[in-house]
Amino acid sequence: GQQVMQIPQYQHVQEGEDFTTYCNSSTTLSNIQWYKQRPGGHPVFLIQLVKSGEVKKQKRLTFQFGEAKKNSSLHITATQTTDVGTYFCAGGPNFGNEKLTFGTGTRLTIIP
Amino acid sequence: EPEVTQTPSHQVTQMGQEVILRCVPISNHLYFYWYRQILGQKVEFLVSFYNNEISEKSEIFDDQFSVERPDGSNFTLKIRSTKLEDSAMYFCASSELAGFQTQYFGPGTRLLVL
Repeated sequence: GQQVMQIPQYQHVQEGEDFTTYCNSSTTLSNIQWYKQRPGGHPVFLIQLVKSGEVKKQKRLTFQFGEAKKNSSLHITATQTTDVGTYFCAGGPNFGNEKLTFGTGTRLTIIP
Repeated sequence: EPEVTQTPSHQVTQMGQEVILRCVPISNHLYFYWYRQILGQKVEFLVSFYNNEISEKSEIFDDQFSVERPDGSNFTLKIRSTKLEDSAMYFCASSELAGFQTQYFGPGTRLLVL
């Protein structure tokens, strides 16, 4: 079945440093979604990417969908303590198929 | 802002007992989902539900599991005979439509099977 891996599994950064998490799928995706889960919380939708090579920005967050639609990345510039949490990518295989396969997640901790 | 709600927030049960987890999706949403997350692990899809029937289910969603929309607002997940390995956080989610739609997650029910 479809597998979605993320690296790194954990990342500790000093406040103000940049952070990047990478997401790789074993199969081509129709779309990729990114979620953030705070410690003890539930996944919260951040963004969705649909087109090959698409890049979207949300303030300090930059999301990219690979040309082959099998990988994606999330980059956070100048991290803040509020960025703490686990970042999951989630891939959808086909349009109209609601099954999201979540990645393994990257847990970000910030050193003040 | 409308949100998905889930009850109870925590449930402790004995192995072999039946549990029912309840969810109230966002009112104008048509698609409903259950996911689970074993402590410290990734979120795993269980089932999606549309128009009063299951539209997708994973290998995890075996005969022990069932879902129901008993009325116009609630969406339930039943585990008939719980096992130790069913201990996890169970998240309900809903979306307005299928396809490329944002799924809104509820706060979860933490299930502990003893």
